[in-house]
Amino acid sequence: DVKVTQSSRYLVKRTGEKVFLECVQDMDHENMFWYRQDPGLGLRLIYFSYDVKMKEKGDIPEGYSVSREKKERFSLILESASTNQTSMYLCASSFSSGTETGYTFGSGTRLTVV
Amino acid sequence: GESVGLHLPTLSVQEGDNSIINCAYSNSASDYFIWYKQESGKGPQFIIDIRSNMDKRQGQRVTVLLNKTVKHLSLQIAATQPGDSAVYFCAETYTGFQKLVFGTGTRLLVSP
Repeated sequence: DVKVTQSSRYLVKRTGEKVFLECVQDMDHENMFWYRQDPGLGLRLIYFSYDVKMKEKGDIPEGYSVSREKKERFSLILESASTNQTSMYLCASSFSSGTETGYTFGSGTRLTVV
Repeated sequence: GESVGLHLPTLSVQEGDNSIINCAYSNSASDYFIWYKQESGKGPQFIIDIRSNMDKRQGQRVTVLLNKTVKHLSLQIAATQPGDSAVYFCAETYTGFQKLVFGTGTRLLVSP
């Protein structure tokens, strides 16, 4: 089974801190994604990556950046955490073949910014 | 645990009943659809998928139906169990696009 592992389940950070959320997948997937999930708003795409060192903005990239130095690892960076970035953060990875997409999520990181 | 969606539509059923969760998708070009289950405090878990060249696909206790004419997707869960209680999301995409577009979700509550 594909495993997408997020390094922390819960994080509490202070306003203004630089925050790193790490995600690792073990199935050699080309694509990786970062979402945030908020009540009433569903899942919103922050950034995604099709390959090493490649990144593209999603729907809500402001206040975030990403890094993909290795194929298996995709990091989300909050340059200066703010209280409105308190949320559940979900990482996902996928491959794409002719018949399947194989889109798999990690367990999530619940970030609280105080 | 933290609520996934405080304002979600909710379907309440009795244990042993069959459940039907509906989803309207937005893009007529979408050709791949996935249903996810998300339990409180956890990430979405893949349940079943279907391609647009099919109308129906069955898994273990679950069936997905696709009606492309009206852009409608449904998830049927047979003999619903308390462990099925969760939020269920549909997602759509199309070949070559890679990004998934998610529905807002439905909360399923199963009473013993």
